[in-house]
Amino acid sequence: QSVLTQPPSVSGAPGQRVTISCTGSSSNIGAGYDVHWYQQLPGTAPKLLIYGNSNRPSGVPDRFSGSKSGTSASLAISGLQAEDEADYYCQSYDSSLSGYVFGTGTKVTVL
Amino acid sequence: QVTLKESGPVLVKPTETLTLTCTVSGFSLSNARMGVSWIRQPPGKALEWLAHIFSNDEKSYSTSLKSRLTISKDTSKSQVVLTMTNMDPVDTATYYCARTLVVAGDWFDPWGQGTLVTVSS
Repeated sequence: QSVLTQPPSVSGAPGQRVTISCTGSSSNIGAGYDVHWYQQLPGTAPKLLIYGNSNRPSGVPDRFSGSKSGTSASLAISGLQAEDEADYYCQSYDSSLSGYVFGTGTKVTVL
Repeated sequence: QVTLKESGPVLVKPTETLTLTCTVSGFSLSNARMGVSWIRQPPGKALEWLAHIFSNDEKSYSTSLKSRLTISKDTSKSQVVLTMTNMDPVDTATYYCARTLVVAGDWFDPWGQGTLVTVSS
C-alpha cells in the first residue's frame, strides 16, 4: 500500500547518470515533509542514503544526490558503478495516514 | 556504534500471534530525539512501515494494521517488542526494526539485519 510512486526500474551504463523519481501528494511530500532515500543491496537490509531531501550521511559518496520540488522528489546517481546495482526506496511522512510511508521501490541495473 | 537486532520465531501458524523483539545498543530508548520503528518487506515486494514508539512512550501505528499491532518498550533492557495478532500467510515477510531519528523530518538509521517470518500451517 505504498503511497509514494517510483518507476519500477531504471538502467544505465557505467559512468552514466540516472535519476529516480518519487511522486507523492499534498498530504506527504507536498505538505512539506522531508523525503529520505534508502539503498537496499541484494539480500541485505536497507541503508540510509539521503536524509532531509538532499543530505548525505557520512560515508555516502557524493555521486548520490537528492532534491525535492512540489509533490515529488528525485534521487540522482552520477558516475554509475556496478556496485550501485540495488533497490532504492524513498520515504516520507503522511499526515492523512498519520504515519511514515515508503515508495514502491526502484531497481537500478548497471548495463 | 549503534546496532539493532531482531529476534523471534521463524515460523508461525495462521491465526497465531507473532511476537518480535528488537534489542538495541549504542543509544538509549529514553533519548528524546530517537525512537524505534518496525518495518516489514514481503519477499520481492516493497517496504511497509508498521509501528513506531517514541522516547516518551507515545506510539503510532499503520492505519491498515492498527487493530492487530501493539508496540512497547523496556528501556532498562534496551528492547522494543512488536506483537501482531491473527497472523495470515500474507504476513510472511522480513521484519526489520530501525532507529528513528526525530529531527524535523524523521528517517530510519540504522536498520537491523531483519528476521524472516513465515506464516504457514
